[in-house]
Amino acid sequence: QKEVEQNSGPLSVPEGAIASLNCTYSDRGSQSFFWYRQYSGKSPELIMSIYSNGDKEDGRFTAQLNKASQYVSLLIRDSQPSDSATYLCAVKDDYKLSFGAGTTVTVRA
Amino acid sequence: DAGITQSPRHKVTETGTPVTLRCHQTENHRYMYWYRQDPGHGLRLIHYSYGVKDTDKGEVSDGYSVSRSKTEDFLLTLESATSSQTSVYFCAISGGPNQPQHFGDGTRLSIL
Repeated sequence: QKEVEQNSGPLSVPEGAIASLNCTYSDRGSQSFFWYRQYSGKSPELIMSIYSNGDKEDGRFTAQLNKASQYVSLLIRDSQPSDSATYLCAVKDDYKLSFGAGTTVTVRA
Repeated sequence: DAGITQSPRHKVTETGTPVTLRCHQTENHRYMYWYRQDPGHGLRLIHYSYGVKDTDKGEVSDGYSVSRSKTEDFLLTLESATSSQTSVYFCAISGGPNQPQHFGDGTRLSIL
């Protein structure tokens, strides 16, 4: 099982600020990367996929991938209380996903 | 939402009893997965399937078996449940090896 590590939380940010989440992975050959959001007591929900180096933006979310440095990050701009959740980084490993332990984000009003 | 239904949603049972969890999908996806999620361990893959009757083990497969006789159904069986198998179980589906996985709502299983 390939390793995926996320910055330890919890991460507390004020409403309207940028939340920055980081993830590193061990398999240099990994090609597909995903960010999931999981609210307490709910299932993981896909919020971003990224496959090539650089930035990918979707609304208030931006994923950044750097394969040479083996890291992928997620920025949440203009954070809202509804963004309070645990964010899981996932890296594709053959048919499977390897997940990080997650970073819990709390957006305080 | 992706058409994934897990049943039951909650179950309480006793040590030593057999338990079967069902995952049903309406997306006609080839790949299906079973995960468990525990505090401090995150999501861990139990078994997965890449087609009807084609299954393989994940990282925590001991004590679990699976079956997939139809594209839409993937069953997870605990032959003789133990307290260490108390967990939240998620089914996921994917349309291809590089496509993202989508998760069902989960089954909360308690083994006393």
